[in-house]
Amino acid sequence: KQEVTQIPAALSVPEGENLVLNCSFTDSAIYNLQWFRQDPGKGLTSLLLIQSSQREQTSGRLNASLDKSSGRSTLYIAASQPGDSATYLCAVNGNAGKSTFGDGTTLTVKP
Amino acid sequence: DTGVSQNPRHKITKRGQNVTFRCDPISEHNRLYWYRQTLGQGPEFLTYFQNEAQLEKSRLLSDRFSAERPKGSFSTLEIQRTEQGDSAMYLCASSLMDQPQHFGDGTRLSIL
Repeated sequence: KQEVTQIPAALSVPEGENLVLNCSFTDSAIYNLQWFRQDPGKGLTSLLLIQSSQREQTSGRLNASLDKSSGRSTLYIAASQPGDSATYLCAVNGNAGKSTFGDGTTLTVKP
Repeated sequence: DTGVSQNPRHKITKRGQNVTFRCDPISEHNRLYWYRQTLGQGPEFLTYFQNEAQLEKSRLLSDRFSAERPKGSFSTLEIQRTEQGDSAMYLCASSLMDQPQHFGDGTRLSIL
């Protein structure tokens, strides 16, 4: 059974700082991995999708890496802004379409 | 692309009642997923459809839960004889095969 762990559970940083969020998973036989952002009371917004054959993906100030063999992914956020405050979720997807989510990291960026 | 739409946004009901939620996916997406999320937790997979076929169901989906996707378009999730433990946010997502999943804003279910 796939298990996904996200560390830390919460993180508070001053504006402008670079930061790294971690995601680890127990079964390396994954199809792809997706990072999401969730604002309070809202659904999930997809940030980045990394296929199992890829090592990283970038979008603006975000960079996600994937090391399938060690069961790890990181989400790097450069020059953080107060608007980045949200919960960040990692989802590991098997080829049968089922997604397993971590419990997220709640990020607070202080002005 | 109007996004994934879920209705209602919030449902309050008494224990023992039946409830039904609706999800309208992005029109060209052939995959549709249902998840349940409780406070402080990540979403838990419930079931998914490829077109009208329900391809996988989680063990979380007891026999009180049923989902349909007639004609491969919108989907409904019904919960019969609701219990306190059913209180959660129910999220729907859709995608094109292996492309990123797009989520709706969810239906929050509160059981009195």
